[in-house]
Amino acid sequence: DSGVTQTPKHLITATGQRVTLRCSPRSGDLSVYWYQQSLDQGLQFLIQYYNGEERAKGNILERFSAQQFPDLHSELNLSSLELGDSALYFCASSARDRPYEQYFGPGTRLTVT
Amino acid sequence: ELKVEQNPLFLSMQEGKNYTIYCNYSTTSDRLYWYRQDPGKSLESLFVLLSNGAVKQEGRLMASLDTKARLSTLHITAAVHDLSATYFCAVDFDTGNQFYFGTGTSLTVIP
Repeated sequence: DSGVTQTPKHLITATGQRVTLRCSPRSGDLSVYWYQQSLDQGLQFLIQYYNGEERAKGNILERFSAQQFPDLHSELNLSSLELGDSALYFCASSARDRPYEQYFGPGTRLTVT
Repeated sequence: ELKVEQNPLFLSMQEGKNYTIYCNYSTTSDRLYWYRQDPGKSLESLFVLLSNGAVKQEGRLMASLDTKARLSTLHITAAVHDLSATYFCAVDFDTGNQFYFGTGTSLTVIP
């Protein structure tokens, strides 16, 4: 158990809908990262937040957005969902002084039908 | 372009045999990571390599990093069935600590 929690574990929704994935980092970790894992694209970095502020952006679609709240939990919002958005979404966290050690949550499996 | 390539993509090996998984990356970095993923599960950190020449070993797995060649290897010694999983390398290209992952190597150890 990495100490990173994600909810929900599974999500099934229809095309065009909007969903929110939630992540709670390890206690004390300030950085949160979001990754998408799909058969087509493999594991891709989406976005990073550090202490509430966006720090880096990867291959994140404009339909997707994220934020990190004052209590350091983060949410990834996916809107106008398409079939191709079906994937495993992982959140990871790291400590301020050890950014190279990322601890991954269990993931949220999103299925778009 | 920032790219991380692993080979082989699939590896089927007999118990007791040795093998090596290779991870090449496109641009200078001295930070490389190895993860293991079991089917339907999250990623488990195996090794963190932070300098040229770094070598780390844990049980039957040993990882090394050659930053000049932009190459890391994950060596498996005397494989056992429990090592069956997908192994990913990831590189931090110093662009904000986001990891760039390789394609993964799906390892199956056959009794």
